[in-house]
Amino acid sequence: DADVTQTPRNRITKTGKRIMLECSQTKGHDRMYWYRQDPGLGLRLIYYSFDVKDINKGEISDGYSVSRQAQAKFSLSLESAIPNQTALYFCATSDPGTSGATDTQYFGPGTRLTVL
Amino acid sequence: EDQVTQSPEALRLQEGESSSLNCSYTVSGLRGLFWYRQDPGKGPEFLFTLYSAGEEKEKERLKATLTKKESFLHITAPKPEDSATYLCAVQGPRNNDMRFGAGTRLTVKP
Repeated sequence: DADVTQTPRNRITKTGKRIMLECSQTKGHDRMYWYRQDPGLGLRLIYYSFDVKDINKGEISDGYSVSRQAQAKFSLSLESAIPNQTALYFCATSDPGTSGATDTQYFGPGTRLTVL
Repeated sequence: EDQVTQSPEALRLQEGESSSLNCSYTVSGLRGLFWYRQDPGKGPEFLFTLYSAGEEKEKERLKATLTKKESFLHITAPKPEDSATYLCAVQGPRNNDMRFGAGTRLTVKP
């Protein structure tokens, strides 16, 4: 079974609709992240969470919100979807270990979101 | 502002034709440089982390090297299954500092 799972894998929605993307992990990591990927732009950080009570905005948080329901679950919501939110969305997890040094991020399979 | 630039955008090789991918970066206080492989329709798969200039890491036909300004991913005698997009990312001193490049799309023809 995959360590980081995302649902749904594909979603088509209409402008103005509210949608939620979900991420679950079995790696036991405290840190979780949401990214979006657009052609030619690379991955950009939307939100990140270092534990259940910690939520932080990333580079491009406008139009998005998140919820950290448990150590293993981190959801991304689009309150009112717009066409320029069409993209690939990835969840990632990491664990810096006891040293707190740089920590490798492990990615889920992604959700392809299309907003019409 | 931290920046990561990968070149070339796309690279086509014949099977067995060795080459290198480049990742140039500017970051204050590099904590780590990461290489990932991404197949179509999948999430990035971790390959290497490099921490300091002069460091090298190898995995099968791949070898990653790091200087103070750039990293190279060398591919020796590539096979068609090495075809993928290779992503580079750098992490600076702050917790939200992971910055990704746009990637190099590698195609290896048999």
